[in-house]
Amino acid sequence: AQRVTQPEKLLSVFKGAPVELKCNYSYSGSPELFWYVQYSRQRLQLLLRHISRESIKGFTADLNKGETSFHLKKPFAQEEDSAMYYCALSGISGNQFYFGTGTSLTVIP
Amino acid sequence: DTGVSQDPRHKITKRGQNVTFRCDPISEHNRLYWYRQTLGQGPEFLTYFQNEAQLEKSRLLSDRFSAERPKGSFSTLEIQRTEQGDSAMYLCASSFGDRETDTQYFGPGTRLTVL
Repeated sequence: AQRVTQPEKLLSVFKGAPVELKCNYSYSGSPELFWYVQYSRQRLQLLLRHISRESIKGFTADLNKGETSFHLKKPFAQEEDSAMYYCALSGISGNQFYFGTGTSLTVIP
Repeated sequence: DTGVSQDPRHKITKRGQNVTFRCDPISEHNRLYWYRQTLGQGPEFLTYFQNEAQLEKSRLLSDRFSAERPKGSFSTLEIQRTEQGDSAMYLCASSFGDRETDTQYFGPGTRLTVL
């Protein structure tokens, strides 16, 4: 069963515009949700996790259990935000991890 | 320590051959994970170790795949009798701690091409 769905493969926004990358999940219980980012020619790295309720590089993500969503948002996109973004879920036991298919974000100058 | 390292970075092999990949985690990281990523997909979890113990294996890990972490440090992933469908990027990650929220640090990956 698909655990994590990222409906947009590609997303383009203009610099300074708000950006939202969608993520929906399917899992019973209380999973842990994450956003990972991969910049060009760099390794996959953690951007943020829902449990920390933090803002990283201006990005935030709120876990909505009713809608089973964990959308990533930023009010003003910057060119350096252009990257591939993956939503990920950790199962109850923490012994398995599920990644979405990713959204490629392009910020147009 | 410059982070998680993987060797080789690229591997081209013929169908039916065996291949082995190595992952060196960040020092003192007790957890080590293996993922597979095919074109256009996100990483797919394969297996993970806590120290030297292999605690979980995905159903994706067929009998042709085996992973070891003999001394709780580096790990190897072996694929026997490779098939064209095994062509993918194999990623390794490590973390410190025992919680699922611990940050995983990824290596650069090993790209496998099976001809």
